[in-house]
Amino acid sequence: AQSVTQLDSQVPVFEEAPVELRCNYSSSVSVYLFWYVQYPNQGLQLLLKYLSGSTLVKGINGFEAEFNKSQTSFHLRKPSVHISDTAEYFCAVSEKGSQGNLIFGKGTKLSVKP
Amino acid sequence: AAGVIQSPRHLIKEKRETATLKCYPISRHDTVYWYQQGPGQDPQFLISFYEKMQSDKGSIPDRFSAQQFSDYHSELNMSSLELGDSALYFCASSLGGQPQHFGDGTRLSIL
Repeated sequence: AQSVTQLDSQVPVFEEAPVELRCNYSSSVSVYLFWYVQYPNQGLQLLLKYLSGSTLVKGINGFEAEFNKSQTSFHLRKPSVHISDTAEYFCAVSEKGSQGNLIFGKGTKLSVKP
Repeated sequence: AAGVIQSPRHLIKEKRETATLKCYPISRHDTVYWYQQGPGQDPQFLISFYEKMQSDKGSIPDRFSAQQFSDYHSELNMSSLELGDSALYFCASSLGGQPQHFGDGTRLSIL
């Protein structure tokens, strides 16, 4: 079975600072990896995904993530955050060849302060 | 293009009542997924359908059932509601493969 660990439940940063949200996963099979963002009272919006190929994945809103197979990590990064990036971020994994149901991490609340 | 539509957005029920949540996937998407997100929790997979057949099952209670209809919309039926069923229920859809598009959810409150 797969599992996802988001090491930080809350990350406060100042505007225009860089940020890294950490995600580690465990699985006995190959996986797909995702990052979703959830704004208050809204649904989950896909930021980026890793299916295969280049390990550096670029997503929307200036976010990127790097898949590191040896460290089983998929950390999310942004070089300069904005107030509008304040939200909760979920890392998720699904098993390759499965029907696609996602296993989510517990989420990281990013608070960007002026 | 329209996204995944869920209705109702909010629903208030009492214990032991029933509820039906609806999900309308993105046009031409053939796969629907249901997730439950409790307060302060991560989303948990409940059940999925591909081409109107159940494709996978997660932590869905026996009191809940779901189906996908010929127009690909899906309904989640919940009976004997309990306080612990209060949560945000998300539907996602995809064209085969992985779920990528989520609706805004139905917030169910049990009194």
